[in-house]
Amino acid sequence: EAAVTQSPRNKVAVTGGKVTLSCNQTNNHNNMYWYRQDTGHGLRLIHYSYGAGSTEKGDIPDGYKASRPSQENFSLILELATPSQTSVYFCASGDPGGADSDYTFGSGTRLLVI
Amino acid sequence: GDSVTQTEGQVALSEEDFLTIHCNYSASGYPTLFWYVQYPGEGPQLLFRASRDKEKGSSRGFEATYDKGTTSFHLRKASVQESDSAVYYCALIHSNYQLIWGSGTKLIIKP
Repeated sequence: EAAVTQSPRNKVAVTGGKVTLSCNQTNNHNNMYWYRQDTGHGLRLIHYSYGAGSTEKGDIPDGYKASRPSQENFSLILELATPSQTSVYFCASGDPGGADSDYTFGSGTRLLVI
Repeated sequence: GDSVTQTEGQVALSEEDFLTIHCNYSASGYPTLFWYVQYPGEGPQLLFRASRDKEKGSSRGFEATYDKGTTSFHLRKASVQESDSAVYYCALIHSNYQLIWGSGTKLIIKP
């Protein structure tokens, strides 16, 4: 079954440390996305990608980098984690093909920065 | 720019009540409209989508009709169950191929 898998499911990081969140998809979708979700803000787009080697800035990219080494994998990197980046992060893959548009989300990574 | 507005931040109902969650959008042309549901501890999952005026999407007893005239895509269910407790998001995708999300509506089913 096609899916989006995120790892780790939970992560505790120290302020100033480097954090890498990983995402793998088996949907063969070209587009992949990283969102964060905070109470009162819904889903906010951090970075996205149109395919291997491509990364684009979303609405709130500051403090985050992204890497898309292959069709299947898309990582979100926090070079210097801060407590304000404590959140739940969701990865998604998507095929924005109009009437057949389809987006699949992972189960999320809960990140706590202390 | 394109936008999606959900007016109810939270809706509290009893089992077997009728549900309406309002969704209005702002976009030119005919964007594809979505309803997603998110259960606690999970990512959002697609309920259904619609891409043409008067098209009705439906799934699991939920339904919504694309209305270009009122730029709306309201979610309805005739009789809610406790298992419907979740957060519901309206969204659209348009010319820039990015999902534009509403703010979400938390549905609480009172025992």
